[in-house]
This record gives sequence, C-alpha cells and structure tokens, in this order.
Amino acid sequence: DAGITQSPRHKVTETGTPVTLRCHQTENHRYMYWYRQDPGHGLRLIHYSYGVKDTDKGEVSDGYSVSRSKTEDFLLTLESATSSQTSVYFCAISEVGNNEQFFGPGTRLTVL
Amino acid sequence: AQKITQTQPGMFVQEKEAVTLDCTYDTSDPSYGLFWYKQPSSGEMIFLIYQGSYDQQNATEGRYSLNFQKARKSANLVISASQLGDSAMYFCAMREGNTGGFKTIFGAGTRLFVKA
Repeated sequence: DAGITQSPRHKVTETGTPVTLRCHQTENHRYMYWYRQDPGHGLRLIHYSYGVKDTDKGEVSDGYSVSRSKTEDFLLTLESATSSQTSVYFCAISEVGNNEQFFGPGTRLTVL
Repeated sequence: AQKITQTQPGMFVQEKEAVTLDCTYDTSDPSYGLFWYKQPSSGEMIFLIYQGSYDQQNATEGRYSLNFQKARKSANLVISASQLGDSAMYFCAMREGNTGGFKTIFGAGTRLFVKA
C-alpha cells in the first residue's frame, strides 16, 4: 500500500471555526490532491499540487485553501467552516508516468 | 469541459455472473486517461483499471476489463464471475493530458450488489 496518512481521521467542529486537515506521504510523489466526497457527487477535486509551493484550484475550491511547504505534506484549510463543508475528505498522490492515483484513508468532517 | 456520466445508481448481479457498469465521458482533449475505482463499505478507494486514449487494446486486470469504445465515448467496466466481495461502489474517472498528474474528474458512482 502507498504510504499516505490523513489526520485527523474524524473531526466534529462548529460553524465559523478554522479547520486544518493534513495529508502526509512517504512515497516522494510529485502530485498531491484534495477531494471531497458527497452522496450523489462522487469525488470532487478541491485543490491539487504539482510541486512544493505549487498549487492550483479544482472544481470546488471556494472556502478552501491549501499549502505545501514540503514534498510530503499537503494541508487543506477551511478558514471558517460551514455546514455545507460537512463531507468526507480524501487526499491522493500520483507521480509522473504513473497512471494511478493512490488515495489516503479519508477524513470525516462534521460541521455543526 | 470534462464530464463523466454514470447512469446506473445501483445494479444487482447474481454471484458468478458477469456484470457491466456503464460510463460515458466527454472531453475535447485527444489525450486522456480513463480509470475505474472501487470503494467498499470500509471507505477506501481501490484502483482497478486504466485505459489510455491511444491504447489500441482494451485494458484487462484479472476479472476486470474495460470496454473502451472511443467513438461512442464510453468506457464500461466489465466484471466477470462476480463475487460477494465485489459488492461496493464503483467510480469511473477521467484525467485529461498525459502527465500522470493534474485534474481528474469522477462520476457519481454505481453501487453494485452481488447476490448469493
């Protein structure tokens, strides 16, 4: 299995509070991604990174920011969480020339 | 714009029979990749199979095969000899370009139920 961990695995927070989710990889892969999964929508890309300090927006980036200061870590921040951001968040990694994206175990976030 | 459509929210199949899960896509990029992932009830995402847009032959991985019909823009997943452990959610996905990275979009998924 690819070495991808996500922390925390579960979190309950209140509307308006900041939240940071962490994705850590031990594979030294170049690309990292954050997705959210909601019923009826599959997985939707929030942000992705193609290198240290190089990030770009996905299809549902509003209300989210990301940072990647090291190859192994990709952080997703909700500056002020809203109930619509209640979801399961997946991190994924991939490498140039490799067709597969490897997924982390997911983080279940509940915003009350 | 990229689009992935999975029209079957749920499917039932008898154990040991074959089943086809439908996926259609839309893209204007001549270079793209198509994927299928499995998500069991435990929640992890498991890569099953990949098909490149320039691949001449349909991809196969064990009991999984991808029926790639480029002109119809379809990439159906065929599971042969279904097993009870195949009961899961299945997602079709597409990546434009040929870099191994960047944006991948997913369909809404098909939930497969395998009956004993």
